[in-house]
Amino acid sequence: DTGVSQNPRHKITKRGQNVTFRCDPISEHNRLYWYRQTLGQGPEFLTYFQNEAQLEKSRLLSDRFSAERPKGSFSTLEIQRTEQGDSAMYLCASSTAREAYEQYFGPGTRLTVT
Amino acid sequence: AQKVTQAQTEISVVEKEDVTLDCVYETRDTTYYLFWYKQPPSGELVFLIRRNSFDEQNEISGRYSWNFQKSTSSFNFTITASQVVDSAVYFCALSGMNYGGATNKLIFGTGTLLAVQP
Repeated sequence: DTGVSQNPRHKITKRGQNVTFRCDPISEHNRLYWYRQTLGQGPEFLTYFQNEAQLEKSRLLSDRFSAERPKGSFSTLEIQRTEQGDSAMYLCASSTAREAYEQYFGPGTRLTVT
Repeated sequence: AQKVTQAQTEISVVEKEDVTLDCVYETRDTTYYLFWYKQPPSGELVFLIRRNSFDEQNEISGRYSWNFQKSTSSFNFTITASQVVDSAVYFCALSGMNYGGATNKLIFGTGTLLAVQP
């Protein structure tokens, strides 16, 4: 296993377009987290899944954002009608439920909205 | 509410100097974890250390050492004899140590940019 992977690594889009990111967690991990990191800030929690169930969403996750984990494996994060304020690094992390504090991070997807 | 404060935005040192990165946290939890992560220019978060609130023993790993003091809610990180490769953004983070399905999301500070000059 090579760790958490995220695709694409970089995405440039025009304001108003929809974008989708993918995260593949470590195979035996049943928890998957999404974080967002804007320039000069630390990562901020967006949402997390345990298996296919989305158990918590941050207030940062506006109704333009939707995340899925349909089969409890990979996850997608979609942003509809992107805004310039959505420009950020989107980080995915995975863990087991038993050791949820031990989160392994992927390389991130850097989104630029022009 | 949980909060992590890293008051030092940027630190610049010359190679071989020692440097300490400060971290102060707030939490109402009686049990919790504290972390340090390194983020090099490539962007990936690299885990450095995890400490639980039960254990205030200081830890040393090579040139890195950590000082955890519950009395002052601080978890400071010292790099001894800094090297250019240590240049990165360093984040302190906090997580609850809860069971029974708790989120255990990480609460990060704003990070300290360390620049080590040759």
